Amino acid sequence: KNQVEQSPQSLIILEGKNCTLQCNYTVSPFSNLRWYKQDTGRGPVSLTIMTFSENTKSNGRYTATLDADTKQSSLHITASQLSDSASYICVVSDDYKLSFGAGTTVTVRA
Amino acid sequence: NAGVTQTPKFQVLKTGQSMTLQCAQDMNHEYMSWYRQDPGMGLRLIHYSVGAGITDQGEVPNGYNVSRSTTEDFPLRLLSAAPSQTSVYFCASSPGLPRPNQPQHFGDGTRLSIL
Repeated sequence: KNQVEQSPQSLIILEGKNCTLQCNYTVSPFSNLRWYKQDTGRGPVSLTIMTFSENTKSNGRYTATLDADTKQSSLHITASQLSDSASYICVVSDDYKLSFGAGTTVTVRA
Repeated sequence: NAGVTQTPKFQVLKTGQSMTLQCAQDMNHEYMSWYRQDPGMGLRLIHYSVGAGITDQGEVPNGYNVSRSTTEDFPLRLLSAAPSQTSVYFCASSPGLPRPNQPQHFGDGTRLSIL
């Protein structure tokens, strides 16, 4: 069964600090990996989408990396802001089906 | 441009009642899907549609029905609500199957409680 595991489950950081979220997957065949941001009470919003040939993609202060050989991805948040408080979901696609991780809840404190 | 609109935002039902969760999109997307989100779990696919008149089951379809009479609308019906269906339900759409150049757009969800 295709699985997507995220760590940590939650983390708290101070405003202005950086943090890194991890995603390991067993989805095969692999097509693309997505990171979504989900604010409390809202639907997920796409941050990045990476294919097999891409190992880094940025969206503002968010930088995602992908190692397709080890089946690992990370999402790095630089200079965190209060608005970064949200759940971050890793999603892996085989072109037909999306497999969702349970998410990492990030709390940014002033 | 409204994107994906879900109604209602909140609903409380009694066990055995039926109801329909509405989903509409104004982006002319062919692919629409319904997910449920439960604490500590990733989103799970309930049903999906690749175009008007075509629907198929996802990972957890039992207890739910869907129809796709138009491109814009994709309602989800709970036939006889059970407490296990207490969840947050998300509708999503994309131009086609979830390929790299076709990100999914999600609605803001319907929070459903079954007593």
